[in-house]
Amino acid sequence: DTGVSQDPRHKITKRGQNVTFRCDPISEHNRLYWYRQTLGQGPEFLTYFQNEAQLEKSRLLSDRFSAERPKGSFSTLEIQRTEQGDSAMYLCASSPTSNTEAFFGQGTRLTVV
Amino acid sequence: AQSVTQLGSHVSVSEGALVLLRCNYSSSVPPYLFWYVQYPNQGLQLLLKYTTGATLVKGINGFEAEFKKSETSFHLTKPSAHMSDAAEYFCAVSYSGNTGKLIFGQGTTLQVKP
Repeated sequence: DTGVSQDPRHKITKRGQNVTFRCDPISEHNRLYWYRQTLGQGPEFLTYFQNEAQLEKSRLLSDRFSAERPKGSFSTLEIQRTEQGDSAMYLCASSPTSNTEAFFGQGTRLTVV
Repeated sequence: AQSVTQLGSHVSVSEGALVLLRCNYSSSVPPYLFWYVQYPNQGLQLLLKYTTGATLVKGINGFEAEFKKSETSFHLTKPSAHMSDAAEYFCAVSYSGNTGKLIFGQGTTLQVKP
């Protein structure tokens, strides 16, 4: 098992464009999380999936953000009409249902210009 | 609301010196507690965690932390710093019966001087 995989690692986009990030969790992990980390800050929770069900969304997740986890496997996070304030590192993490430890991917760094 | 406070955004120590990174949490229910380390442009790696049982927890790379309920603290220590310990350290909490989401502190950058 290679751990949690995120793609792309880096994305530069122009303001107003849409972007989509992918996360492949550790296989057999039912729980999947997205976090956002801005420079000099700790990660902030965005959303949580158990299998394919999105069970919690942070108020940070505006209506321009949407996340999916079809079939309970990989997940995508889409940002529509990107703004400069969306520039951040987007981290994905997964964990087994019965475990409290989360395993993180290397993140996708988004720069909106 | 639950929160995590890390005292000191930057800590500098000499190689071989004691490392002490402070973490306090605010919560009305017992938390699960974690320390993660992050190297530049990388994801987070778990150093250690406390869920139940022994309050002194040992982790990887010689780090340990002690859960003190009366002080609502979970400070991270290492007896002797190594140059490779230079990184960003995050304290985090989650709660039983919750979604397992983590609430992070703002992080502490550890600098190790030769």
